[in-house]
Amino acid sequence: AQSVSQHNHHVILSEAASLELGCNYSYGGTVNLFWYVQYPGQHLQLLLKYFSGDPLVKGIKGFEAEFIKSKFSFNLRKPSVQWSDTAEYFCAVTPMYSGGGADGLTFGKGTHLIIQP
Amino acid sequence: DAGVTQSPTHLIKTRGQQVTLRCSPKSGHDTVSWYQQALGQGPQFIFQYYEEEERQRGNFPDRFSGHQFPNYSSELNVNALLLGDSALYLCASSFRPGVDSPLHFGNGTRLTVT
Repeated sequence: AQSVSQHNHHVILSEAASLELGCNYSYGGTVNLFWYVQYPGQHLQLLLKYFSGDPLVKGIKGFEAEFIKSKFSFNLRKPSVQWSDTAEYFCAVTPMYSGGGADGLTFGKGTHLIIQP
Repeated sequence: DAGVTQSPTHLIKTRGQQVTLRCSPKSGHDTVSWYQQALGQGPQFIFQYYEEEERQRGNFPDRFSGHQFPNYSSELNVNALLLGDSALYLCASSFRPGVDSPLHFGNGTRLTVT
């Protein structure tokens, strides 16, 4: 079975600082990778996803993530954070099976990001 | 355009009881997935329903069961509640199964088992 590890459970940054949230997964085969975000009082929403192709993917609100297959990593980055980026961030993975996708996502424990004005 | 709606928002049950949680998918969606999120953890996949059948299941015991209705809404049933079942239960909908269909999550039902 696959698993996801998010290294930082709590991160505090000042506005305009650069952000990198770590995510590593364990699975022997090909995977689909996701980052979800949950803003305070809101539901989980998709930030970005990687299926195949260019390992550098761009998402909403200036976020991007890089898939490094050799490191089993999918780290989330943003060059300059804003106060409104304060949220819980979840990395998720699902194996890519032949003949169609298996849809159940395996999530990491999440990283609570606080941006100080 | 209504998103995913879940009811109730909060629920308190006693150990050993049974509970039913409800989910209405986003308009135009026909696939419903359920996740359990314990405090301080990420969501864990319970199962997915499509065309009124359980299509995929995570590592949850048979006490967890579900149903999907012809209007695509869904129920999650948990029997013989344990204290460890206390969690936020999330419903997510999509158009057709498949990872290329983005999941839309509801706000969840907070279940407390005493």
